[in-house]
Amino acid sequence: AQSVAQPEDQVNVAEGNPLTVKCTYSVSGNPYLFWYVQYPNRGLQFLLKYITGDNLVKGSYGFEAEFNKSQTSFHLKKPSALVSDSALYFCAVRAIFGTGTSLTVIP
Amino acid sequence: DTGVSQDPRHKITKRGQNVTFRCDPISEHNRLYWYRQTLGQGPEFLTYFQNEAQLEKSRLLSDRFSAERPKGSFSTLEIQRTEQGDSAMYLCASSLAEATNEKLFFGSGTQLSVL
Repeated sequence: AQSVAQPEDQVNVAEGNPLTVKCTYSVSGNPYLFWYVQYPNRGLQFLLKYITGDNLVKGSYGFEAEFNKSQTSFHLKKPSALVSDSALYFCAVRAIFGTGTSLTVIP
Repeated sequence: DTGVSQDPRHKITKRGQNVTFRCDPISEHNRLYWYRQTLGQGPEFLTYFQNEAQLEKSRLLSDRFSAERPKGSFSTLEIQRTEQGDSAMYLCASSLAEATNEKLFFGSGTQLSVL
């Protein structure tokens, strides 16, 4: 069985500050990990994925995620947050999604 | 490439009625997924197809729900004898399943309201 947990329902960060959205996973076999974003009144969009290779994965809109096998984590990061990054973020292992984290970037 | 298309965008029905939703995936995609999402929650996996074969169905899914993908292209999701708890956004996604590289492309969803 595979599962993914997003421990924070809500993350607030000031514009220009670094942001982190946390995700931990449980899976047997290779962890195919994804981040998706859902902007208000818009569909889910792919951000980035980890399949194999470098533990630091770069994706769309300046986001990146770090795969940590020992901690079974795949946290989403961005060095400098923008107000336009405010959205719902979902971590997924294969086709199973977490409950989501609402990110609010405060001007 | 017109993306994943879902029809209708909105459906209002009375409790006990049957409803059917349609999903047209990206044309070359061989996998198709159905999810259900309620406000503020993550997409809940319902079922998925590879070509015309339904490979997995959520154990939590009521037998009132059925999905088909008869020719390996578009898919339909039917809910029989709808209940108020079925009210949700129903999302379809498609992907091109290669060895280890699978990215889901989502449609805009069908919002179901059961009165």
